[in-house]
Amino acid sequence: DIQMTQSPSSLSASVGDRVTITCRASQDISIHLAWFQQRPGKAPKSLIYTGSSVRSGVPTRFSGTGYGTDFTLIISSLQPEDFATYYCQQHGTYPYTFGQGTKVEIK
Amino acid sequence: DVQLVESGGGMVQPGGSLRLSCAASEFIFSSHWMSWVRQAPGKGLEWVANIRRDGRETYYGDPVKGRFTISRDNAENSLYLQMNSLRAEDTAVYYCARIDIWGHTFDYWGLGTLVTVSS
Repeated sequence: DIQMTQSPSSLSASVGDRVTITCRASQDISIHLAWFQQRPGKAPKSLIYTGSSVRSGVPTRFSGTGYGTDFTLIISSLQPEDFATYYCQQHGTYPYTFGQGTKVEIK
Repeated sequence: DVQLVESGGGMVQPGGSLRLSCAASEFIFSSHWMSWVRQAPGKGLEWVANIRRDGRETYYGDPVKGRFTISRDNAENSLYLQMNSLRAEDTAVYYCARIDIWGHTFDYWGLGTLVTVSS
């Protein structure tokens, strides 16, 4: 199975900060990487797929980069509603696997 | 807007069975692969199973292989998960998720249904 490792596991940031979350795959997954946001007690929400394609309706402050084994989620200017847990997921090979999550908290 | 509504969760004893349902609406159900994803209390997300548009191809995560069966009824716009030989470690919120039209990964999720396996 492909292991997905996110870093950091948690971070504290202020409104307006630029936030970067990384995700590393244990083997080459090409562009098959997605990012999800999950607010407490809520269902996950899809943000990005195929590494850098932003889902319709997702604010432009969210972007994704990467290829192969190393990927990044960037929030250009953190907003109050962005405090949540973020998960990466590889969708190129079965079984699909998720990272352990990165919790973004208010500083 | 796309709607996915799960039902069928509850408490069951170890070794028991449960059948989850997901009612889909506001999109052409038969055009999409569908999935189940679960989340144990306080833990991360875990993919459970996928099913092809016509229901003839299925994939499972190793922890549930041989015990869970994903199925669908395109005439009823419904997705199912039959769970047998349940274990304590199957305790989780189970989400129904739609895979996007290009077959990449999940684009919409239901609100989830809680399954608790306990004696």
